[in-house]
Amino acid sequence: DAGVTQTPRHEVAEKGQTIILKCEPVSGHNDLFWYRQTKIQGLELLSYFRSKSLMEDGGAFKDRFKAEMLNSSFSTLKIQPTEPKDSAVYLCASSSPLGGSYEQYFGPGTRLTVL
Amino acid sequence: DAKTTQPDSMESTEGETVHLPCSHATISGNEYIYWYRQVPLQGPEYVTHGLQQNTTNSMAFLAIASDRKSSTLILPHVSLRDAAVYHCILRVVAGGNNKLTFGQGTVLSVIP
Repeated sequence: DAGVTQTPRHEVAEKGQTIILKCEPVSGHNDLFWYRQTKIQGLELLSYFRSKSLMEDGGAFKDRFKAEMLNSSFSTLKIQPTEPKDSAVYLCASSSPLGGSYEQYFGPGTRLTVL
Repeated sequence: DAKTTQPDSMESTEGETVHLPCSHATISGNEYIYWYRQVPLQGPEYVTHGLQQNTTNSMAFLAIASDRKSSTLILPHVSLRDAAVYHCILRVVAGGNNKLTFGQGTVLSVIP
């Protein structure tokens, strides 16, 4: 089975640009998560979907960050407009309550650099 | 979710058995203990989880104190590939919110 796929792996943006990051969860998983990772803050939750419905939207990130699940096998994270402080690794993860372990499978991440 | 406390870093030599401690003094009765690890340039990877009983799988052994206020992830015969940041996370599993709240974790260094 394919794992979580994220594209692009690297993105460089100018301040003020709009960027869209993409994620394909593991087939059949109905929970999808977007996290941001920096050295200082560690891993922070941005958004959490269950069966395409938004369960949690990280409060500090509502302003310029918008995650969507267009269908059960595809999600996007839009950052508009980008700022240099948005430079980080953006991780997507998926999980399924079936089987009981609820383990989350993470993608390799997208490394975003905002100049 | 309740908070966990882990040492910032630990060091081991290849072939040794490593004990990674985690303190969770305020754990609730319905919170599971999860362990994830992350190597550079990759997303976190699930290692194991448990509620009350010790658990074992191909990656590690999880020892949970009888009062559940602490746990230890035991990695037998570590190799260089086990060098990673290890995160101990508490999570209520049943009934809905499936998110993970990561701390800084323990950086495990493995010396050849």
